[in-house]
Amino acid sequence: KAGVTQTPRYLIKTRGQQVTLSCSPISGHRSVSWYQQTPGQGLQFLFEYFSETQRNKGNFPGRFSGRQFSNSRSEMNVSTLELGDSALYLCASSLYQGRGYTFGSGTRLTVV
Amino acid sequence: EDQVTQSPEALRLQEGESSSLNCSYTVSGLRGLFWYRQDPGKGPEFLFTLYSAGEEKEKERLKATLTKKESFLHITAPKPEDSATYLCAVQAILGGRDDKIIFGKGTRLHILP
Repeated sequence: KAGVTQTPRYLIKTRGQQVTLSCSPISGHRSVSWYQQTPGQGLQFLFEYFSETQRNKGNFPGRFSGRQFSNSRSEMNVSTLELGDSALYLCASSLYQGRGYTFGSGTRLTVV
Repeated sequence: EDQVTQSPEALRLQEGESSSLNCSYTVSGLRGLFWYRQDPGKGPEFLFTLYSAGEEKEKERLKATLTKKESFLHITAPKPEDSATYLCAVQAILGGRDDKIIFGKGTRLHILP
């Protein structure tokens, strides 16, 4: 079966712009979570959605937001981009919260 | 403060040389502990979930164990294809329906042929 699909794979944006990343979970999975991965900080949890509701949230500023649609697809938005937002953004899906997650290959965001 | 610490940061082993990776955690309440494997340029690949102290899970050459303060990932007779970064993550209960997911920085494992 198809895995977790993230689009786009690579993105270059200018400081101050905003960006929207997309994630299509494995069919039937209702939990979608987002992570930021950088060499210095490692993997950091952004937020998790389950059945269109945000259930958990990490320690990131309000510039980072997300949503989940009725078909479980999810989007993450970052407004007023900063250079420090350059990272690999990973999406993961799971059948239920608290179970093992299947990750996508990520979107590599570069802010210049 | 909730935190997850993995050790060692990096480990080089000869093929067939067994060893263990450590993940120690400090959280107020544990909902689950996860182990992942990550290859360069890819997203993490799920390996195991452990929920309570004393629990053990096995998959091929890997065995994960859990105590109240730490988890170990034992690698028996590793092969070069086991080379990867191994990540530990903890789902900590904050209260109500809120949880916090905390990842360790990972252990970079290199198996020499």
